[in-house]
Amino acid sequence: GAVVSQHPSRVICKSGTSVKIECRSLDFQATTMFWYRQFPKKSLMLMATSNEGSKATYEQGVEKDKFLINHASLTLSTLTVTSAHPEDSSFYICSAWTPDSFYNEQFFGPGTRLTVL
Amino acid sequence: AQKVTQAQTEISVVEKEDVTLDCVYETRDTTYYLFWYKQPPSGELVFLIRRNSFDEQNEISGRYSWNFQKSTSSFNFTITASQVVDSAVYFCALSRYNTDKLIFGTGTRLQVFP
Repeated sequence: GAVVSQHPSRVICKSGTSVKIECRSLDFQATTMFWYRQFPKKSLMLMATSNEGSKATYEQGVEKDKFLINHASLTLSTLTVTSAHPEDSSFYICSAWTPDSFYNEQFFGPGTRLTVL
Repeated sequence: AQKVTQAQTEISVVEKEDVTLDCVYETRDTTYYLFWYKQPPSGELVFLIRRNSFDEQNEISGRYSWNFQKSTSSFNFTITASQVVDSAVYFCALSRYNTDKLIFGTGTRLQVFP
């Protein structure tokens, strides 16, 4: 299958700082990427849908100004958690797909564990 | 609205036992896809199976098997002769399209003891 990477895999930051998480499709061009969030021992919840070259579509209840998503190229989407607070500590996972892909399915990244102190 | 229910929060079994993880879904769509993922302690999601709504055939892959029944809106997952390496959280998920956003169930934590 295709490969999706995330960087960093783990980040610890102080409250009030901003953190950027990258999601890259390594061997295909992703027109759409999804960002999910998983609290400890909880399920994955969709945060937003990111389409290359356009604004992200956020799920109800997700703060757009706090979770900035940029899908500037066909291989990269970034999620920036602005002014992070301890309640933002979570596991963030992205998935990517493209209709032009040989695989015609979406692939998940390995996730980024964010801890805000 | 779409919804996935995994009523079993945690299951503990002893190695070599068979175990079935339940998944019940709700959707108004006539076409949809169902998935199972495994999430080991590392956190990475491991894709196990995808099934579309028009294919009700059960599937077997090694020790894994899936039972899809539209009449009861269920997509259950059975592990035969469980092994310690099967210990993980298992998620059932639903989407409208193969490449659409996924609606995940709450997951079932499986612990297999030696």
